[in-house]
Amino acid sequence: EVHLAESGGGLVQPGGSLRLSCAASGFTFRNYWMTWVRQAPGRGLEWVANMKQEGSEEHYVESLRGRFTVSRDNAKNSLYLQIDSLRAEDTAVYYCARGVTILGRVRYFDYWGQGALVTVSS
Amino acid sequence: DIQMTQSPSSVSASVGDRVTITCRASQGISSWLAWYQQKPGKGPRLLIFAAYTLQSGVPSRFRGSGFGTEFTLTISSLQPEDFATYYCQQANSFPYTFGQGTKVEIK
Repeated sequence: EVHLAESGGGLVQPGGSLRLSCAASGFTFRNYWMTWVRQAPGRGLEWVANMKQEGSEEHYVESLRGRFTVSRDNAKNSLYLQIDSLRAEDTAVYYCARGVTILGRVRYFDYWGQGALVTVSS
Repeated sequence: DIQMTQSPSSVSASVGDRVTITCRASQGISSWLAWYQQKPGKGPRLLIFAAYTLQSGVPSRFRGSGFGTEFTLTISSLQPEDFATYYCQQANSFPYTFGQGTKVEIK
């Protein structure tokens, strides 16, 4: 059974940093694009970043590029999201999700974790 | 960026009702559209991708249609477990974007 479990969330002061982790199981992690999506309290979904199977390609929403860095360790079946210079507007639940590739490009997300809450506040 | 607009933002319905949700893209996205269902405290669940392809394990009462800029999710006979929030997502070009969501509530 496919399972994704995020960890590393918590309360962080503005300007601080945080690294979220996503532990994957139940599938061959190295064969899939992986993605991060966030959801601010009471709001909709916002795609954050994708990373290709071997880590050779990544994409970000432009407004977050430079502060957000996605990485992965295929030997540990894990995906990461480093967030620097945290702002109040980064407060959200962060989900990792497995990508569905069509015509050589990740398009959709078929399995999601339960999410990790990041709260940015002083 | 491609803007995705869903309507209505919420709908009240009864078990057995037919429910239709619309998603409009600010520019043509061919058939690169997915629908997700989200329940409180849970990650989203993929229902439909490529505009009309049902994800494995999703009941056939869910149906997607559309092409280009206008898309529809129809639930033919609402079941108790279908009360949730539904999101569309365009997969035509980065950054991938979602609609603002449609909450299906019990009437």
